[in-house]
Amino acid sequence: NAGVTQTPKFQVLKTGQSMTLQCAQDMNHEYMSWYRQDPGMGLRLIHYSVGAGITDQGEVPNGYNVSRSTTEDFPLRLLSAAPSQTSVYFCASRPAAGSINSPLHFGNGTRLTVT
Amino acid sequence: AQTVTQSQPEMSVQEAETVTLSCTYDTSESDYYLFWYKQPPSRQMILVIRQEAYKQQNATENRFSVNFQKAAKSFSLKISDSQLGDAAMYFCAYRSARETSGSRLTFGEGTQLTVNP
Repeated sequence: NAGVTQTPKFQVLKTGQSMTLQCAQDMNHEYMSWYRQDPGMGLRLIHYSVGAGITDQGEVPNGYNVSRSTTEDFPLRLLSAAPSQTSVYFCASRPAAGSINSPLHFGNGTRLTVT
Repeated sequence: AQTVTQSQPEMSVQEAETVTLSCTYDTSESDYYLFWYKQPPSRQMILVIRQEAYKQQNATENRFSVNFQKAAKSFSLKISDSQLGDAAMYFCAYRSARETSGSRLTFGEGTQLTVNP
């Protein structure tokens, strides 16, 4: 059972370049989300989705786009990378059914550096 | 908006000793969930323990336990019999019970725990 898979693990971009961080889960979870982790700031929510075709903004959505065409995949797009987007990005998922306090399942993160 | 504060950027403990990591939060809600996550150098986020605000009993998971003080809005993590594998960054997190997607967690800044042999 792979869980939440993020690719790539590491990426270096130049300012202005675009790229997509991939996230896939094989647990049939309805809820998926993207967080960024910066030193001294913990994790902050970028975007989230409660199901295919439905997305919403989190705390720090500017500069990022998402879409959810399938239950399994939730890619995060950077249209024009900026040095301020240098961070570690985490994808997470959670089932809609079951215990209301069931935790998020996290991927192993993508370390992105924008020069 | 809710905030979560971890006032100890770094902590250290001797192997086999006990250490307590602090977490305070600010909310106007009465029903919510609190979590402690561990992040070892592998970067993986691992759930350590969780607490429902409506439960007065403190949660425990083996060597890990919490001291949940709802009135004081405090949620500290106690690690007993510390092991070298406990060395990691620890994050405290809050989630409103009204947040039905379960995706909107508010995290603290993290506490880096070092375990000395």
